[in-house]
Amino acid sequence: SQQGEEDPQALSIQEGENATMNCSYKTSINNLQWYRQNSGRGLVHLILIRSNEREKHSGRLRVTLDTSKKSSSLLITASRAADTASYFCAHYSGGGADGLTFGKGTHLIIQP
Amino acid sequence: DTEVTQTPKHLVMGMTNKKSLKCEQHMGHRAMYWYKQKAKKPPELMFVYSYEKLSINESVPSRFSPECPNSSLLNLHLHALQPEDSALYLCASSLTPGGGERVVEAFFGQGTRLTVV
Repeated sequence: SQQGEEDPQALSIQEGENATMNCSYKTSINNLQWYRQNSGRGLVHLILIRSNEREKHSGRLRVTLDTSKKSSSLLITASRAADTASYFCAHYSGGGADGLTFGKGTHLIIQP
Repeated sequence: DTEVTQTPKHLVMGMTNKKSLKCEQHMGHRAMYWYKQKAKKPPELMFVYSYEKLSINESVPSRFSPECPNSSLLNLHLHALQPEDSALYLCASSLTPGGGERVVEAFFGQGTRLTVV
């Protein structure tokens, strides 16, 4: 499966600042999802945006999707130390039963 | 119960050993997945089970053998592994299989950290 790109690959900011992560993908999609992973453990679903949506909000999260550029961004506002984690975009590629294809991920470090 | 439970959490095995990883969910999900994740890399899909039938095998070596005994359980049998197979193995489930027009969120277990010596 083709992985997307994420940038930056690592991001370190001060607590309270906003963090923006970008993701590009290569195939047509029906929806794009963002997941968070703490310290190499399980992934947790954060937010999903459908291909006919341009922007979606959930609490301190804002995700955008540009299907013409095959790109998405995740904004975390008012960051907290507990937001330190790796963030991955992901999508299903196939028409049949399929698994997720993940982007390369951004490792976010929030400095207290 | 919104959890996917994986056991064991850690496993060290020799190259001649046979071991199994176990995954369990009681959310009534009908799709279950195995992913492999190397350090500082994204998860990579290994297998997809859809309604207890294997629907995708992403060219995984035969030393990895999946099994889905029922809709709640997923096993990954390991035999004659190589040191390069050391990784975090993640199980996930979703209400229905992903793909196509379906909007499906995946739930992940905490993973089994496997070390092959």
